[in-house]
Amino acid sequence: QKEVEQNSGPLSVPEGAIASLNCTYSDRGSQSFFWYRQYSGKSPELIMSIYSNGDKEDGRFTAQLNKASQYVSLLIRDSQPSDSATYLCAVIGAGKSTFGDGTTLTVKP
Amino acid sequence: EAQVTQNPRYLITVTGKKLTVTCSQNMNHEYMSWYRQDPGLGLRQIYYSMNVEVTDKGDVPEGYKVSRKEKRNFPLILESPSPNQTSLYFCASSGWGNQPQHFGDGTRLSIL
Repeated sequence: QKEVEQNSGPLSVPEGAIASLNCTYSDRGSQSFFWYRQYSGKSPELIMSIYSNGDKEDGRFTAQLNKASQYVSLLIRDSQPSDSATYLCAVIGAGKSTFGDGTTLTVKP
Repeated sequence: EAQVTQNPRYLITVTGKKLTVTCSQNMNHEYMSWYRQDPGLGLRQIYYSMNVEVTDKGDVPEGYKVSRKEKRNFPLILESPSPNQTSLYFCASSGWGNQPQHFGDGTRLSIL
């Protein structure tokens, strides 16, 4: 079992829809959780960070964390074609950083 | 401008020829890390450092060395590169306390 698993893609949504990205992790000692966006050939770019249970909203993005279920998600509202990218879930605990394989999102105009 | 700088950006070399990829950050970050990214395998951590003279293995350390003699620099050394080390490499840094990481632009290595 992988330490960080993301829902298999690719994911395709129409412009204006909500895109839902999911991630589960195996280490209960994990302390910090991040979502990064990565365009092809580019470096990962931080979108959201979340450290405690519940929801965190930033513009069109909402991150949700449930430590009991070891689950973190990212919702993108009013999806735009520019949101088309690969989204990486990252989990950090005691210095060690583990990334999921990523989910590729395509937003169709 | 706050940044993580990697050099070179691209390198084609041959098996067995030692190479070093440099990484430097100007944000006074304690934590630095190296990753490789391969199609279908995501980002995998090679080594990380939580401060000067403190380094630790990540998930795929075999064939790599690192050093952290200064806070700002964290070079990745391939003593005897092999074709299976052909990959896209990223250096990243962050502040203390499990903060989000800032990534460099990446180094694409091809080892023939």
